[in-house]
Amino acid sequence: GENVEQHPSTLSVQEGDSAVIKCTYSDSASNYFPWYKQELGKRPQLIIDIRSNVGEKKDQRIAVTLNKTAKHFSLHITETQPEDSAVYFCAASNNAGNMLTFGGGTRLMVKP
Amino acid sequence: DTAVSQTPKYLVTQMGNDKSIKCEQNLGHDTMYWYKQDSKKFLKIMFSYNNKELIINETVPNRFSPKSPDKAHLNLHINSLELGDSAVYFCASGSTGTSTQYFGPGTRLTVL
Repeated sequence: GENVEQHPSTLSVQEGDSAVIKCTYSDSASNYFPWYKQELGKRPQLIIDIRSNVGEKKDQRIAVTLNKTAKHFSLHITETQPEDSAVYFCAASNNAGNMLTFGGGTRLMVKP
Repeated sequence: DTAVSQTPKYLVTQMGNDKSIKCEQNLGHDTMYWYKQDSKKFLKIMFSYNNKELIINETVPNRFSPKSPDKAHLNLHINSLELGDSAVYFCASGSTGTSTQYFGPGTRLTVL
């Protein structure tokens, strides 16, 4: 089955700096890679996703890159703000039952 | 206009009891899921239902029995609760083929 590794587990940055979270996956059949943001006590919320036919996708301060050959994908947040502080999860799916396999999460802390 | 809703939000019960968690989605999706998030924040798929039929059962003990009366509902019944069942349980929904999933607010289950 799929295995998704996520690094780092915690990340502390100064407000205004950039943050990068990296994930690797094992199943070469995976073709969908979403990122979720989970604030304390709240539900995971989809913030951006990328499919395997695209190498990069951007939405305002958030971007995701995908390297299918190396089987890794990354989340980039620029100009971080305190409200970006949360746990971020990457995930991978190969459409088999639409099952998502999640990484272990990254706790991002943005210091004002 | 809540898209995916769960009840109850909190559930505190004694070991050995039987309890149910309800989930409803009004997004018109045909697939619904149950995830378990443990104290270390790991998110793991438990079940997936497509059009009221079980698609995925990720080696969950048979004390856990999902029931889908229609496409908009997926309830989770747990028999003989154990201490290790304490976690946050998230329901999610999505459409076949897109892999995009939207999460409910979660149910925090505490077994004493």
